[in-house]
Amino acid sequence: GENVEQHPSTLSVQEGDSAVIKCTYSDSASNYFPWYKQELGKRPQLIIDIRSNVGEKKDQRIAVTLNKTAKHFSLHITETQPEDSAVYFCATHTGGFKTIFGAGTRLFVKA
Amino acid sequence: DSGVTQTPKHLITATGQRVTLRCSPRSGDLSVYWYQQSLDQGLQFLIQYYNGEERAKGNILERFSAQQFPDLHSELNLSSLELGDSALYFCASSATVKAASADTQYFGPGTRLTVL
Repeated sequence: GENVEQHPSTLSVQEGDSAVIKCTYSDSASNYFPWYKQELGKRPQLIIDIRSNVGEKKDQRIAVTLNKTAKHFSLHITETQPEDSAVYFCATHTGGFKTIFGAGTRLFVKA
Repeated sequence: DSGVTQTPKHLITATGQRVTLRCSPRSGDLSVYWYQQSLDQGLQFLIQYYNGEERAKGNILERFSAQQFPDLHSELNLSSLELGDSALYFCASSATVKAASADTQYFGPGTRLTVL
């Protein structure tokens, strides 16, 4: 069936360093790839998204890249700050209207 | 604040019972999605409605059911509750559902269900 694999499950970086989280998906019909940030006990919040007709998108310190041929997309956070510490989820939207989430990456940014 | 509301915030009940979770989408959004998030787990897609009709089903148990009403609010009904049903249940909404693309989903604050 359709699935999304997300790596790593945990990531610890020093403040100011970059963080990269990668997701691989299986459904070639996927055409929308959002990333969500979830702080402890709170709702997931969209931080950036990309559609299948675009290879890269950037918003200040956050960027997402998409490789449709290889079926993977990545989240890049530069100049990390302690407030970036959270769980990050990638997701894909399939042709059947389902949204499938990755298992999440717990990011720790050490001051 | 995403504009999506969910009630109640917390719910504590016993095994075997039935509960109803309620979601009101953002003003103008026609699609509602339900997700289950168990402790330290990812988000499991349960079901999606668009303008009152079921559009997609995920890993939703037969003990669970949902509906979307004419005013677009949605309810998720969980019956014959088991200990393993304890989780955070999120509702999300988006403007439309299109076959070729998707709209951003906005999540509500969630309902924390505890089954004792």
